[in-house]
Amino acid sequence: AQKVTQAQTEISVVEKEDVTLDCVYETRDTTYYLFWYKQPPSGELVFLIRRNSFDEQNEISGRYSWNFQKSTSSFNFTITASQVVDSAVYFCALNNRLAFGKGNQVVVIP
Amino acid sequence: NAGVTQTPKFQVLKTGQSMTLQCAQDMNHNSMYWYRQDPGMGLRLIYYSASEGTTDKGEVPNGYNVSRLNKREFSLRLESAAPSQTSVYFCASRAQGAMGDTQYFGPGTRLTVL
Repeated sequence: AQKVTQAQTEISVVEKEDVTLDCVYETRDTTYYLFWYKQPPSGELVFLIRRNSFDEQNEISGRYSWNFQKSTSSFNFTITASQVVDSAVYFCALNNRLAFGKGNQVVVIP
Repeated sequence: NAGVTQTPKFQVLKTGQSMTLQCAQDMNHNSMYWYRQDPGMGLRLIYYSASEGTTDKGEVPNGYNVSRLNKREFSLRLESAAPSQTSVYFCASRAQGAMGDTQYFGPGTRLTVL
């Protein structure tokens, strides 16, 4: 069975603050992929990042960074210096038949 | 290159009516998926097709049927719509190989069943 848990439902930050979204996953697969998607108010789902289970190197891409820790089954996502355009729902997802978390509503206050 | 397209964007049905949601992708992906999104539930997989000619059930298949018409198109049919099927439906296709196992989503169909 696969399961993704995003504990925080809504997070409010003031513009330029950093925001970190937590994701904990469960899978019996030895090889797997993890994803973060963004759903802005317009409703589309936008792919942000992907990480495979082989690679625990954490990376930064622009204002986005992620922290993948296999030992704790966590795949956390950080937006640095948040902007109003970052206001959206963010989903963590696992594997090909994507198991989605319930999402984090991020509200960036100007 | 339109990516993943879905029609219609909005639909209102009466209980018991039938309809087909259309999905097409122009990225030459083998795998395609149908999800539904309900408030507070994230997305849940209804059906998927790993390749042309094959389909498999996902987490919530009851009340739905699918057809993988060809490599580009994957349709979702509601034979007898029920209010519980009011939702936003997303189609996705999956890139493999050099692009990694990443799913790309269509814009969604917002369905209301009265």
